[in-house]
Amino acid sequence: IQLTQSPSSLSASVGDRVTLTCRASQDISIYLAWYQQKPGEAPKLLMHAASTLQSGVPSRFSGSGSGTDFSLTISSLQPEDFATYYCQELNSDSYTFGQGTKLEIK
Amino acid sequence: EVQLVQSGAVVKKPGESLKISCKASGYDFTTYWIGWVRQKPGNGLEWMGIVNPGDSLTRYSPSFQGQVTISADTSVNTAYLQWSSLKASDTATYYCARRQRNYHLLSHSYYFYMDVWGEGTTVTVSS
Repeated sequence: IQLTQSPSSLSASVGDRVTLTCRASQDISIYLAWYQQKPGEAPKLLMHAASTLQSGVPSRFSGSGSGTDFSLTISSLQPEDFATYYCQELNSDSYTFGQGTKLEIK
Repeated sequence: EVQLVQSGAVVKKPGESLKISCKASGYDFTTYWIGWVRQKPGNGLEWMGIVNPGDSLTRYSPSFQGQVTISADTSVNTAYLQWSSLKASDTATYYCARRQRNYHLLSHSYYFYMDVWGEGTTVTVSS
């Protein structure tokens, strides 16, 4: 299974609403997770089962999708949200990651 | 508090062997699988494989099968990632992560995700 994230990078401003997408090469049902990674830090789980918010993650993050098309939306960007975001499929044994979307400050 | 604490950064020469560790605390180590993820400098995340500490069953990504060995020791609540002969291309940061399992009501099925991550171990292989 391959995961393709788009865009690869995105410039946005504080307060913007942004949507990141992740497309799977085959149907993975709802078995998708999203992670946030800041430079020099370990990835942090944001979302599991495509749309379930991990405990402690701000509600401005939301996820949607099933099958092959998924999205992660940040409703109002905060300064701490500028990071790289990865999707991961957990449907097969390969647990593939997408290549990441780098969210930068405009 | 649930934690995964990894061993420190290491510098090795090509051809040398290495074993890095990931010590779990705050939960029953035998109940959750532990996975390993590679991140080369400036690159994305790559799934390497996973071990079930309860029975030592392992599953490897095809890209890493035969290149590394993943194991776990329940007597010390620690998972390991090891190489028998390092290459310069193994230079990377390696993360361990715990696999969580939940039940999805709408789809009536169990699903997984990596909920707790170690801080990473940077491995540098250089002559």
